[in-house]
Amino acid sequence: GAVVSQHPSRVICKSGTSVKIECRSLDFQATTMFWYRQFPKQSLMLMATSNEGSKATYEQGVEKDKFLINHASLTLSTLTVTSAHPEDSSFYICSARPGGAGEKLFFGSGTQLSVL
Amino acid sequence: DAKTTQPNSMESNEEEPVHLPCNHSTISGTDYIHWYRQLPSQGPEYVIHGLTSNVNNRMASLAIAEDRKSSTLILHRATLRDAAVYYCILRDADSGNTPLVFGKGTRLSVIA
Repeated sequence: GAVVSQHPSRVICKSGTSVKIECRSLDFQATTMFWYRQFPKQSLMLMATSNEGSKATYEQGVEKDKFLINHASLTLSTLTVTSAHPEDSSFYICSARPGGAGEKLFFGSGTQLSVL
Repeated sequence: DAKTTQPNSMESNEEEPVHLPCNHSTISGTDYIHWYRQLPSQGPEYVIHGLTSNVNNRMASLAIAEDRKSSTLILHRATLRDAAVYYCILRDADSGNTPLVFGKGTRLSVIA
């Protein structure tokens, strides 16, 4: 089946630094990818929709200048958490849907971000 | 997407069947019923989906009520690896390439 690869799986950083998370579709092209955030014991919350070659669409309440999304190719989307603070510590998950896969959405394995 | 209601948590003994219920009383005629699960520290994974008829695959079975206002995900023989949060999600047939909207799901614990 389709594979979505996400790196890194875990990152620890100091407050004020920026962190980049990569999401790759390994065996299919994805014009659209989705980024979610998940706090402990809570459900996934959609942050933004990443569109290849155009600007991302952010959900209400998500700061676009803080969570920079770049989707420069059909197989790669990146999420950069800029000037990270402890409240940004969370589990970040990307996903994509291959064309022809019907309704299935495939997810990366997630990135656990811890900001000290 | 129409709303679903699931129990917060359920518990099962290993190697016994598990029936995970989902209520969706406001489902529309074009809504598909999807199930995903999320293992600890992992991204979600697709389990099964259906429209009207019961569905079976290698992971699970999906039993859909005749009025479609409820459905049940059936794990025929639970293993410790099935411990996860199970999400029941409705999606319209014309949703296109839109994201999934997750509810709270059911946290399944499997006891050895």
